[in-house]
Amino acid sequence: NAGVTQTPKFRVLKTGQSMTLLCAQDMNHEYMYWYRQDPGMGLRLIHYSVGEGTTAKGEVPDGYNVSRLKKQNFLLGLESAAPSQTSVYFCASSYKGLNTEAFFGQGTRLTVV
Amino acid sequence: SQQGEEDPQALSIQEGENATMNCSYKTSINNLQWYRQNSGRGLVHLILIRSNEREKHSGRLRVTLDTSKKSSSLLITASRAADTASYFCATNDMRFGAGTRLTVKP
Repeated sequence: NAGVTQTPKFRVLKTGQSMTLLCAQDMNHEYMYWYRQDPGMGLRLIHYSVGEGTTAKGEVPDGYNVSRLKKQNFLLGLESAAPSQTSVYFCASSYKGLNTEAFFGQGTRLTVV
Repeated sequence: SQQGEEDPQALSIQEGENATMNCSYKTSINNLQWYRQNSGRGLVHLILIRSNEREKHSGRLRVTLDTSKKSSSLLITASRAADTASYFCATNDMRFGAGTRLTVKP
């Protein structure tokens, strides 16, 4: 099993460019999450999904959009990248939100110049 | 705002010593989870404690939960250099604190 796979692993964007980060899980999990982690800080929840076709805002949703068209995939989009979005992005999934552990991808390091 | 807040921010100990880190949270919870993150990598789940549990063990890990104080602690006994990592708590809404950076010196 691959678990949670994030694509790409590294990316450099110019300010104003757009991109999509892909998260794929093969565990048939209902819940999926996108986080960002900045130096010396914990993970901040951007958006999450409790099932196919659903999305919800987390703590820091501004500047990001998400889609969950298929149960196994959760896409994070940056429409117009800003230097403040330079960060490491982590995706996670869990069977259900309550009382179950989450599995994390290995992260995407994004630099916006 | 972040739900869990870990304390201390950083902890440095010698191999063989015990390491204790704490987590405080703000609202009622169904469970609390602890995760570990090795530098630059994704988080790995360590242990989950439910709101009706007071203590839980897993190998060298011991977690306690005090819902009246809205706090939890993670104890790592007989630490090893390989335990060097950041440790995070998360409440059931999957919001994390800033973590405790643990360094275990050989």
